[in-house]
Amino acid sequence: NAGVTQTPKFQVLKTGQSMTLQCAQDMNHEYMSWYRQDPGMGLRLIHYSVGAGITDQGEVPNGYNVSRSTTEDFPLRLLSAAPSQTSVYFCASSSPGQGRHEQYFGPGTRLTVT
Amino acid sequence: AQRVTQPEKLLSVFKGAPVELKCNYSYSGSPELFWYVQYSRQRLQLLLRHISRESIKGFTADLNKGETSFHLKKPFAQEEDSAMYYCALSSVNQGGKLIFGQGTELSVKP
Repeated sequence: NAGVTQTPKFQVLKTGQSMTLQCAQDMNHEYMSWYRQDPGMGLRLIHYSVGAGITDQGEVPNGYNVSRSTTEDFPLRLLSAAPSQTSVYFCASSSPGQGRHEQYFGPGTRLTVT
Repeated sequence: AQRVTQPEKLLSVFKGAPVELKCNYSYSGSPELFWYVQYSRQRLQLLLRHISRESIKGFTADLNKGETSFHLKKPFAQEEDSAMYYCALSSVNQGGKLIFGQGTELSVKP
């Protein structure tokens, strides 16, 4: 069981470039979420999904897109990178049927936008 | 509005001293409260949830609905407790969505 995996671990982008952060889980969890972690601000929810084909916005969705075509994968797309998107990004998954919303986190992707 | 507040950015104590990491929340309804911990170079992991009323690694946390608080306590801190601690809130009906506090860095000195 790999749990929640994220790729890449590190990424440097130039302003205006686009990229996709990958997230996968092998626990058959219905819920998946993306957070960004910034110093002094904790983790903030970007987008989340309660199942394949269903996504919704979180607290800070602007500049990001998501899709959920399978239960396992939940990629996060940066459309046109900006320096304000420099952050550490965490993907998480959970299931209402076990652990009552305990979220399992991936190792994170550290993104720098120059 | 739903909000979680952790007033201390950094808490520094000596080994063997008691520790209390504060967490206050605002939420209309019945929230679920959690404490997550992030050790150096590791991913976030669940430490405690209020519905379990358990003690993990010597830590306990009691939900005080009157004071809307969920403080994390440990009577005798250990050096291996040094980490970033996040208090988080979830609605019973909003699975997959956690609202996090700003985090408190706990440093336990020898």
